[in-house]
Amino acid sequence: RKEVEQDPGPFNVPEGATVAFNCTYSNSASQSFFWYRQDCRKEPKLLMSVYSSGNEDGRFTAQLNRASQYISLLIRDSKLSDSATYLCVVNPVTGTASKLTFGTGTRLQVTL
Amino acid sequence: NAGVTQTPKFQVLKTGQSMTLQCAQDMNHEYMSWYRQDPGMGLRLIHYSVGAGITDQGEVPNGYNVSRSTTEDFPLRLLSAAPSQTSVYFCASSYSTGGATEAFFGQGTRLTVV
Repeated sequence: RKEVEQDPGPFNVPEGATVAFNCTYSNSASQSFFWYRQDCRKEPKLLMSVYSSGNEDGRFTAQLNRASQYISLLIRDSKLSDSATYLCVVNPVTGTASKLTFGTGTRLQVTL
Repeated sequence: NAGVTQTPKFQVLKTGQSMTLQCAQDMNHEYMSWYRQDPGMGLRLIHYSVGAGITDQGEVPNGYNVSRSTTEDFPLRLLSAAPSQTSVYFCASSYSTGGATEAFFGQGTRLTVV
């Protein structure tokens, strides 16, 4: 079983749609959680951290459920520029990002 | 504003050749890591370092060596390249905090072993 599991997609949605991605992780001792964005043939970049209380950054909302070991990302009012692969990332330690565990990514394609 | 710089960006090797992938960061970050990314596998940790002179193995270390003689540089050495090492390699750096922290990635090295 993979440590971090994501639906690979692709998710094809029209501009303006709301789309949700989910992720589960197996290590209950994991300390911190993130969503990274990766554009085609580029490096991953941090989109947002994920907290149990939920957090929002503009059109993006992330949520963590530690009891279910489940992480979600909601994108509202999708833009063409949101087309990318979204990586669910789990950190087994706190205070450093040297040993991240990545999901395989969920590909999003936003169309006109 | 360089951040994390990887060289080369592309490389083709023959089976059995050795080479070094370079990674340098100018953010004075203590922590550096090497990952490989293969289709359907996600990024996997090869080696990481928590400071100059200190390195440790990640999930897939076999066939790779690292050293960290300075804070800025963290080269990855392929000892005897194999086709299974065909991949995209990413170097990352991060700093220590009391909580969640961000990893900054280089642009990647696309390696093909024939």
